[in-house]
Amino acid sequence: DADVTQTPRNRITKTGKRIMLECSQTKGHDRMYWYRQDPGLGLQLIYYSFDVKDINKGEISDGYSVSRQAQAKFSLSLESAIPNQTALYFCATSSGQGRYNEQFFGPGTRLTVL
Amino acid sequence: GQQVMQIPQYQHVQEGEDFTTYCNSSTTLSNIQWYKQRPGGHPVFLIQLVKSGEVKKQKRLTFQFGEAKKNSSLHITATQTTDVGTYFCAATPLSGSRLTFGEGTQLTVNP
Repeated sequence: DADVTQTPRNRITKTGKRIMLECSQTKGHDRMYWYRQDPGLGLQLIYYSFDVKDINKGEISDGYSVSRQAQAKFSLSLESAIPNQTALYFCATSSGQGRYNEQFFGPGTRLTVL
Repeated sequence: GQQVMQIPQYQHVQEGEDFTTYCNSSTTLSNIQWYKQRPGGHPVFLIQLVKSGEVKKQKRLTFQFGEAKKNSSLHITATQTTDVGTYFCAATPLSGSRLTFGEGTQLTVNP
């Protein structure tokens, strides 16, 4: 969805570098998520935030940190990148209205750590 | 944590054949969602099932939620090349609020 944007779309970096991936949304959603996708492993939740003051660890948060700068912005940082963090990273949003609601994904960031 | 198992991991079919992917959980679910990811794309929501035994249809796609609310299936009738992609189920447990994705089934359709 064009309503959820991610920057950069592709990034190649070296081991030990600090990397920030950014996500912005114009959907007005309170809930935002960061996922990692590796071939054959589906989507693994890294961190999620249900509002600006709420940050929660997901399944695989080690080596990552996040910042929710505003309702519309949720960034993911790799403090010291390592090669096994090479993956496709997706940001997603959901409205949080009601118990069950769909997630809207951004286009993804392909990260390569050399 | 909750595990959502999805089978098969890969499926190759000839155009016109049917396709089914299955999603299983060891715990009772509140709801299950299905997403489709085209090659090079991002996951896109297809449908949500909430009720025990629920069946929903979208054209050639039929989605079912098990009576015990622990499993679900997606069936595509007479596949077309436009059906190519990876299909994910995603489930919320009865006792929680977090969505967990299955590993996905990658479908290829030979014309």
